[in-house]
Amino acid sequence: SQTIHQWPATLVQPVGSPLSLECTVEGTSNPNLYWYRQAAGRGLQLLFYSVGIGQISSEVPQNLSASRPQDRQFILSSKKLLLSDSGFYLCAWSTGGKIYGYTFGSGTRLTVV
Amino acid sequence: EDQVTQSPEALRLQEGESSSLNCSYTVSGLRGLFWYRQDPGKGPEFLFTLYSAGEEKEKERLKATLTKKESFLHITAPKPEDSATYLCAVQARSQGNLIFGKGTKLSVKP
Repeated sequence: SQTIHQWPATLVQPVGSPLSLECTVEGTSNPNLYWYRQAAGRGLQLLFYSVGIGQISSEVPQNLSASRPQDRQFILSSKKLLLSDSGFYLCAWSTGGKIYGYTFGSGTRLTVV
Repeated sequence: EDQVTQSPEALRLQEGESSSLNCSYTVSGLRGLFWYRQDPGKGPEFLFTLYSAGEEKEKERLKATLTKKESFLHITAPKPEDSATYLCAVQARSQGNLIFGKGTKLSVKP
């Protein structure tokens, strides 16, 4: 069966520090991968998605970047965090080409101080 | 522009008091509508997918229905463990990514 792993679960980082959040998927190949941010009262905001290794699409220009170095690995990064980067970050995957609901990871609560 | 609006934002029910959550959508050709449940501090958990108007799906105390403009999530005789935020999302034919509503936070009191 397919599983998705996301870590860390909680992170407190100072303003200006770098960020690296990792997501891996098991039990499937060539998944579509997604990074979402969820802020209170604003719902789920799609940040990046990827349909294959090295293929990254950005939905919202901001202080973050994403990379997909391996088929089932998706990384969210920042060189210098801002206070506004605080939020709940979710990774998700779906099977490309079919109408399947996304499967989400457990999320990372990021607090920038 | 593709859009999803959920109402109410919050709903408080007594245990056993049935009710419905609404998801209104505007999309240029619906490919699928999805319902998720999200517990505090956790990722959304998939509940249902609906593809065409008139379709209905059930799971325990939950029943999802779909029309051409909206979907309802009916909760029959809810229990405290049904307390969560329920998210609705649509997938348009023109693009593959899901568009989410802001959710309805449901609280069921014993």
